[in-house]
Amino acid sequence: GQQLNQSPQSMFIQEGEDVSMNCTSSSIFNTWLWYKQDPGEGPVLLIALYKAGELTSNGRLTAQFGITRKDSFLNISASIPSDVGIYFCAGQLRPNFGNEKLTFGTGTRLTIIP
Amino acid sequence: GAVVSQHPSRVICKSGTSVKIECRSLDFQATTMFWYRQFPKQSLMLMATSNEGSKATYEQGVEKDKFLINHASLTLSTLTVTSAHPEDSSFYICSARQAEAFFGQGTRLTVV
Repeated sequence: GQQLNQSPQSMFIQEGEDVSMNCTSSSIFNTWLWYKQDPGEGPVLLIALYKAGELTSNGRLTAQFGITRKDSFLNISASIPSDVGIYFCAGQLRPNFGNEKLTFGTGTRLTIIP
Repeated sequence: GAVVSQHPSRVICKSGTSVKIECRSLDFQATTMFWYRQFPKQSLMLMATSNEGSKATYEQGVEKDKFLINHASLTLSTLTVTSAHPEDSSFYICSARQAEAFFGQGTRLTVV
């Protein structure tokens, strides 16, 4: 099935650095979601975006819903060791339809170099 | 956020046996749940959409007789991997939606 293009695929950073990753699509979505997955666990919702242009923060995380509705980015400021994991974006076209499936990004793997 | 609980978290079974995985929405009712499969270092791949009181909708290429889905109540969906083979070994994850989708903890299936 369709997947969203997420970049970068992987990042190696030092603790304290800021992180930026993005997600692009060839078609529009009306909701963008960002998840984090730790090894051996299911994804955990970080931020949900519902409106084009919306900028939302959750602690050190900030995400934006692109104006064109075809992209979104996630920033993490002042990274800490527990930020390590895989970050997935996901899009929904019709968020009010409970049976609509999500379209997932390819993932960005974040590693912190000691 | 909403809680989705998946059980077991890991299971090892012999080739040819069947394994049942449960997915429960603990604090909300879900008429629809989703089952995913994830291979190492890859994204989640949707297998099927589980519909309460009716048949599941399977994605192209997913064998419905192999992966049996039952959604008998508004808080429980089960995935049964029938006649499991080593190639069925994978990480299986369920999700359920309130406004946003919430995921279970995942089940690591190893078929030996």
